[in-house]
Amino acid sequence: QQQVKQSPQSLIVQKGGISIINCAYENTAFDYFPWYQQFPGKGPALLIAIRPDVSEKKEGRFTISFNKSAKQFSLHIMDSQPGDSATYFCAASIEASNYQLIWGAGTKLIIKP
Amino acid sequence: NAGVTQTPKFQVLKTGQSMTLQCAQDMNHEYMSWYRQDPGMGLRLIHYSVGAGITDQGEVPNGYNVSRSTTEDFPLRLLSAAPSQTSVYFCASSGPSSYNSPLHFGNGTRLTVT
Repeated sequence: QQQVKQSPQSLIVQKGGISIINCAYENTAFDYFPWYQQFPGKGPALLIAIRPDVSEKKEGRFTISFNKSAKQFSLHIMDSQPGDSATYFCAASIEASNYQLIWGAGTKLIIKP
Repeated sequence: NAGVTQTPKFQVLKTGQSMTLQCAQDMNHEYMSWYRQDPGMGLRLIHYSVGAGITDQGEVPNGYNVSRSTTEDFPLRLLSAAPSQTSVYFCASSGPSSYNSPLHFGNGTRLTVT
């Protein structure tokens, strides 16, 4: 019940295309859903986060879509660029508790020029 | 802006050796944590601390010790290294849990145990 299942494990998208990464959870008490972006040789960094009182949040080319009834949330990267090539992690927690974050397994995204 | 600093960047140990991974942050964050990252397994929490003198176990604490004597430093000790501890280790810190207080990660220590 505490798991966050992330898919796909890896993804290759052409430059200019839309990259979509999906996450599913079971615990309905989760109320904070961040996405972290990690470049090779670096630590993860917060990209964007959403709370379940909204169905969508957009920051530039990055959008989180949230489906509370399906217990799913997804990251969409519009007009994907080679500089977006990274590993992306979804996570979930209750009351934004950082030491109770449950992490997805990660998606390695490659944007082909 | 140093943020979270981890040393060393790379380390090779023989089975049974001990070592300490160092982590320091200059953001006056109360919360600090250690994660290990293995392919296909995401980030797994080893130990965390919510303030100086307070530590607690995460998901995979066995084989690791921590202490928090100051707000700035949170070292991770491997007492007797095993090949299963070959991994990339990340230290992270944050302010009090809130929707506007993300984790700040260091750049990791890549550890190989032979």
